[in-house]
Amino acid sequence: KAGVTQTPRYLIKTRGQQVTLSCSPISGHRSVSWYQQTPGQGLQFLFEYFSETQRNKGNFPGRFSGRQFSNSRSEMNVSTLELGDSALYLCASSSTGAFGNEQFFGPGTRLTVL
Amino acid sequence: TQLLEQSPQFLSIQEGENLTVYCNSSSVFSSLQWYRQEPGEGPVLLVTVVTGGEVKKLKRLTFQFGDARKDSSLHITAAQPGDTGLYLCAGDSGGSNYKLTFGKGTLLTVNP
Repeated sequence: KAGVTQTPRYLIKTRGQQVTLSCSPISGHRSVSWYQQTPGQGLQFLFEYFSETQRNKGNFPGRFSGRQFSNSRSEMNVSTLELGDSALYLCASSSTGAFGNEQFFGPGTRLTVL
Repeated sequence: TQLLEQSPQFLSIQEGENLTVYCNSSSVFSSLQWYRQEPGEGPVLLVTVVTGGEVKKLKRLTFQFGDARKDSSLHITAAQPGDTGLYLCAGDSGGSNYKLTFGKGTLLTVNP
């Protein structure tokens, strides 16, 4: 079974631009979560989607948004990029996101904002 | 807000030594997971513990969930250079939360 794939793997943007990151979950998994990882804050939860519905959202500004498609693929968008948005963005999938919530992570997208 | 505190933050040891990493919280979790992350990659799930007092073994790694389900530990016996990586604990509060709360991790370096 193929793992979670994320594209692109690396991205360089300048302040004020916007960016869209893509995540394809493991086949059959319907829950997709996004996390931001930085050296200072560790992994922080952004949002979780299941069957195209956002079920939970972390404490991030409205510039961070996401969506999920009918095939469970997900995208996240960051508008008006700031230097502090530089981070590794990780996508994780699980079968239902329910009890146990074992998540399988992709390799991440390394975003650098200049 | 639920928090998970991991200690130590950094650990550098020689091959063959034993070590323990701790993950503590004031909150109760329905389950707790341990992940290992290598540079440039996403975290990889090692184990999930669910029952208070539960102990799970994965080769030279022993995971324990506290009786009150607020803390956990990871013990590695006879560490090897291949054990090098960032070890993360993550708690699931269950219910309709649908998210994991991560500790900041323990960066382990095992020197040959």
